Amino acid sequence: EVQLVESGGGLVKPGGSLRLSCVASGFTFSNAWMSWVRQAPGKGLEWVGRIKSKTDGGTTDFAAPVKGRFTISRDDSKNTLYLQMNSLKTEDTAVYYCTTDNPVITSFDYWGQGTLVTVSS
Amino acid sequence: QSALTQPASVSGSPGQSITISCTGTSSDVGNYNLVSWYQHRPGKAPKLVIYDVSKRPSGVSNRFSGSKSGNTASLTISGLQAEDEADYYCCSYAGITYMMFGGGTKLTVL
Repeated sequence: EVQLVESGGGLVKPGGSLRLSCVASGFTFSNAWMSWVRQAPGKGLEWVGRIKSKTDGGTTDFAAPVKGRFTISRDDSKNTLYLQMNSLKTEDTAVYYCTTDNPVITSFDYWGQGTLVTVSS
Repeated sequence: QSALTQPASVSGSPGQSITISCTGTSSDVGNYNLVSWYQHRPGKAPKLVIYDVSKRPSGVSNRFSGSKSGNTASLTISGLQAEDEADYYCCSYAGITYMMFGGGTKLTVL
């Protein structure tokens, strides 16, 4: 059974930093492309960023609102995905979901339950 | 780029069929057959129910179906059941901006 478990959310002041983690199990993590998707309170889903598998180059891409502030990395030895968030803004307040990003079907086929990030003074 | 447009809410009685629309542009929905739909029940992880416009992942009920015409994709749920009550989100590949989601539709089973 595929499981994705996010952690690391919390309350942070504007301008601060936070690192989210996502531990994966039930599939070969090293072969997987992974994405982060967020949902602000009362809003819809928004793709944040993606990292390809190392086999496919391990490159990252980001949505415009977070480009230059967020980075994504992975530790395949620990089956863990990371989202480093810097220069946080109040509009980054959201539940952040870790997802598998399947390039064959161009969809997010498995999701975690999310972790809440609140950016407030 | 704005999010894809979905109705805020739809409702139906058990056994009925409902359809949720998802309107984009010629840069996303209209240009690619890469629309997916996600079911999100409160407190649960979102679940993929349709990909590539009309394909169902293994294990998803055949009561869920998808289609597309021009810049609008649709999700139809037939034989509504209480367990279908959830928020539904469409998503389309959008080229350089990668993936674009809709604002979500709350389905109420009366």
